[in-house]
Amino acid sequence: KAGVTQTPRYLIKTRGQQVTLSCSPISGHRSVSWYQQTPGQGLQFLFEYFSETQRNKGNFPGRFSGRQFSNSRSEMNVSTLELGDSALYLCASSSNSGANVLTFGAGSRLTVL
Amino acid sequence: GENVEQHPSTLSVQEGDSAVIKCTYSDSASNYFPWYKQELGKGPQLIIDIRSNVGEKKDQRIAVTLNKTAKHFSLHITETQPEDSAVYFCAASERDDKIIFGKGTRLHILP
Repeated sequence: KAGVTQTPRYLIKTRGQQVTLSCSPISGHRSVSWYQQTPGQGLQFLFEYFSETQRNKGNFPGRFSGRQFSNSRSEMNVSTLELGDSALYLCASSSNSGANVLTFGAGSRLTVL
Repeated sequence: GENVEQHPSTLSVQEGDSAVIKCTYSDSASNYFPWYKQELGKGPQLIIDIRSNVGEKKDQRIAVTLNKTAKHFSLHITETQPEDSAVYFCAASERDDKIIFGKGTRLHILP
């Protein structure tokens, strides 16, 4: 059974640009959550999608957005990139929304110059 | 919203000794408490979880205890081995809500 796949694995952008990250969940999983991981802040919740609907949202500015497609694949977008957006962005899938086992991908490491 | 505090941020133990990581949470409605292990270059992986209807759960060398009155839970690793070296995250969640993580503990197993 394939795991959670995130693309791209690494990317470098400059301030002001925008970026789109992709996540393919485990087959059959309908929930996708996104987290930002930085050395000082650990794993911070961005948002969760279930059946194409955003179910939960973290405390991030509106520059961070996401969506989920009918095949459960998800994308997140960050517009007007800032230096502080440099981080590892982790996607996790689950069979159901809420308090369930998360299976994480390896992450997309974003560097903003 | 939920807030999870995790201590210590770094922990070094001699191989064969025990390691304990502690977490506190703020939302008394939280009822799901997972622990994840993250190895270098990988995403976090669930190692054990506990729900609020039990006070303790054990899986081989790993155990988690939960004190709902005090709103804290702990991870215990016995007979530590080199492969236990990693970053460990605790988390808490209410049934239909997002899962909130602590900031992590970097565990070093010394030879």
